[in-house]
Amino acid sequence: EPEVTQTPSHQVTQMGQEVILRCVPISNHLYFYWYRQILGQKVEFLVSFYNNEISEKSEIFDDQFSVERPDGSNFTLKIRSTKLEDSAMYFCASSRGVEEKLFFGSGTQLSVL
Amino acid sequence: LAKTTQPISMDSYEGQEVNITCSHNNIATNDYITWYQQFPSQGPRFIIQGYKTKVTNEVASLFIPADRKSSTLSLPRVSLSDTAVYYCLVGDGMTSGTYKYIFGTGTRLKVLA
Repeated sequence: EPEVTQTPSHQVTQMGQEVILRCVPISNHLYFYWYRQILGQKVEFLVSFYNNEISEKSEIFDDQFSVERPDGSNFTLKIRSTKLEDSAMYFCASSRGVEEKLFFGSGTQLSVL
Repeated sequence: LAKTTQPISMDSYEGQEVNITCSHNNIATNDYITWYQQFPSQGPRFIIQGYKTKVTNEVASLFIPADRKSSTLSLPRVSLSDTAVYYCLVGDGMTSGTYKYIFGTGTRLKVLA
C-alpha cells in the first residue's frame, strides 16, 4: 500500500530556532494536511493545502508557521521561531480527492528545549 | 462544525465483539462519518467510512441509523493488537474547497487477555 513518508522521525531544537518538517505525500494525491498532537492530547488540525495554496488553517497556525510544496513531491511545514509549546508530534496527511479518506504519515516528534 | 462525542475508554477481552458508539447530533447533510485507529507514536490509520445504513470491510462494520446523529463502529473478535485509540470523525464540510477532519478525544480501547 502506498504511504506518506515524513522526515525526520525526531527533531530536537532550541527555542527560537527555525525547523522544517518534511513530508512526501502519496504521489497521485492532491490534498495535503498538517496535524499535530501534543503528548496525551487529541490530534489537532493545523492547515490544509490544495492547488499550491492554503485552503484552510486553524487558529494554531499563526504567522510563525508556513507550508510549502517546493517541488512535485515534497510538502513542508516550517516553524520560524520555535516555542516550548510547539513540542508535539506533527503528522502530515494526504488524500486523493476532497472528502476522501486521509492517509497519515508516521509523524515527526518535535522537541523544543 | 459538527462535533463528536465518544466514550473516553473501554475495556474488552480477546475474542469479544466491541461496539463503540459516537454521537454527532449536528452532522451536515453532505458529511461522511469516518473512523480512524491510532497506536501510540503512530499516525492515525483509516478503518472505515460510511454515509448511511451499514458498511462492512475486512476489519470492521459501521452502523449508521436513519437520522445519522450517531454511528457505531463494530470490531469483531478483538485481539490484543486492537488496543488503540479509536476516533470518530465527521468532516467539517467543504467550506473552502477542502474537507477538514476534526478529531475528538477518541475512545481508548484496551483489550485484555
